[in-house]
Amino acid sequence: GNSVTQMEGPVTLSEEAFLTINCTYTATGYPSLFWYVQYPGEGLQLLLKATKADDKGSNKGFEATYRKETTSFHLEKGSVQVSDSAVYFCALRLEGSQGNLIFGKGTKLSVKP
Amino acid sequence: KAGVTQTPRYLIKTRGQQVTLSCSPISGHRSVSWYQQTPGQGLQFLFEYFSETQRNKGNFPGRFSGRQFSNSRSEMNVSTLELGDSALYLCASSEAPNTEAFFGQGTRLTVV
Repeated sequence: GNSVTQMEGPVTLSEEAFLTINCTYTATGYPSLFWYVQYPGEGLQLLLKATKADDKGSNKGFEATYRKETTSFHLEKGSVQVSDSAVYFCALRLEGSQGNLIFGKGTKLSVKP
Repeated sequence: KAGVTQTPRYLIKTRGQQVTLSCSPISGHRSVSWYQQTPGQGLQFLFEYFSETQRNKGNFPGRFSGRQFSNSRSEMNVSTLELGDSALYLCASSEAPNTEAFFGQGTRLTVV
């Protein structure tokens, strides 16, 4: 079936460190891919997205590239800040009528000063 | 523009009771989706409504139901509550199906 697998957390980094959160997917057709972020006590916010192979989504210093050959959409940031501490979710949306989001389990990131 | 509003924010219910959660989408948005978030299962899709019609449904028992009104506001209902229904219930609105989804802050339901 359709699914998203992302690296287990928690991930703890020092401020200004490089961040990678791995995400791979299994899906029929050509899904759209997303990264959402959830801050404590909040709902989900869309961080970035990519709708076709080789697209790069970027926002607030975060980037992810849609790699169809490896079915991956890894999230990266060159220099994390304390304010980036949150839970990050990778998600896909299938084409057509089954347009709901399918989420990974989430990766909790803690950034220490 | 106001965001997605979910009410109430917190709710405590007893096993066997029923509960209704409300979601007011962003003005102009006609599509509303509901998700359940638990530590064990993560985020799971419940259902999607568009123009008052259920367009898509996740794999949940019939105790979970929903509806959408002509003003696009949506409610979900859970009957005969079980301890395992304790979760954060998130509502997302979008202009139309398959467009960007904006999430509310959620309703935290605790079943005791």
